[in-house]
Amino acid sequence: SQQGEEDPQALSIQEGENATMNCSYKTSINNLQWYRQNSGRGLVHLILIRSNEREKHSGRLRVTLDTSKKSSSLLITASRAADTASYFCAEDTSYGKLTFGQGTILTVHP
Amino acid sequence: ETGVTQSPTHLIKTRGQQVTLRCSSQSGHNTVSWYQQALGQGPQFIFQYYREEENGRGNFPPRFSGLQFPNYSSELNVNALELDDSALYLCASSLYGEETQYFGPGTRLLVL
Repeated sequence: SQQGEEDPQALSIQEGENATMNCSYKTSINNLQWYRQNSGRGLVHLILIRSNEREKHSGRLRVTLDTSKKSSSLLITASRAADTASYFCAEDTSYGKLTFGQGTILTVHP
Repeated sequence: ETGVTQSPTHLIKTRGQQVTLRCSSQSGHNTVSWYQQALGQGPQFIFQYYREEENGRGNFPPRFSGLQFPNYSSELNVNALELDDSALYLCASSLYGEETQYFGPGTRLLVL
């Protein structure tokens, strides 16, 4: 497979702190997407950033994209215990056929 | 809730057996994609169906096959099961040409 890398593999923070997760990918993309997964269940789409965008916001989420470095980051501000989950980035190189990274496990302590 | 449903939720099979997993897409969606997620890994793309035809395939052997029906629901069939097929199988529906996919809760398959 051509999975990208996510960093860190695991992140443990206190409620109220910010969480930053990074993703590197390998190919030219149409867009890059971030998903959340609770306890091995289905994935929930969080945010999509297109290849011609550099930054995008949605509520407490901020995503950046650097196509020259083939990297993206997801920032969750003012984290809550309910944000505890695994977070995945996914490259979309051919619409609908996603290549996922290995994920970051985020634990937010109350 | 995304409106995408999968059945069964859990399944136990033995090596060499065959399995069929089912997915009902969100209302109005005409494209279904299947992914395999091994424990501790990210999902891997198996294939996508659009208009009842396979529309792209990942690096999976032919014993992984699928169907899409006129109502856009879909099946994933795996023949000659191997221990490494143990995983969470996720389907995702979308409207063809749109970028966001909506995932079901998955079917957890254990091969003994």
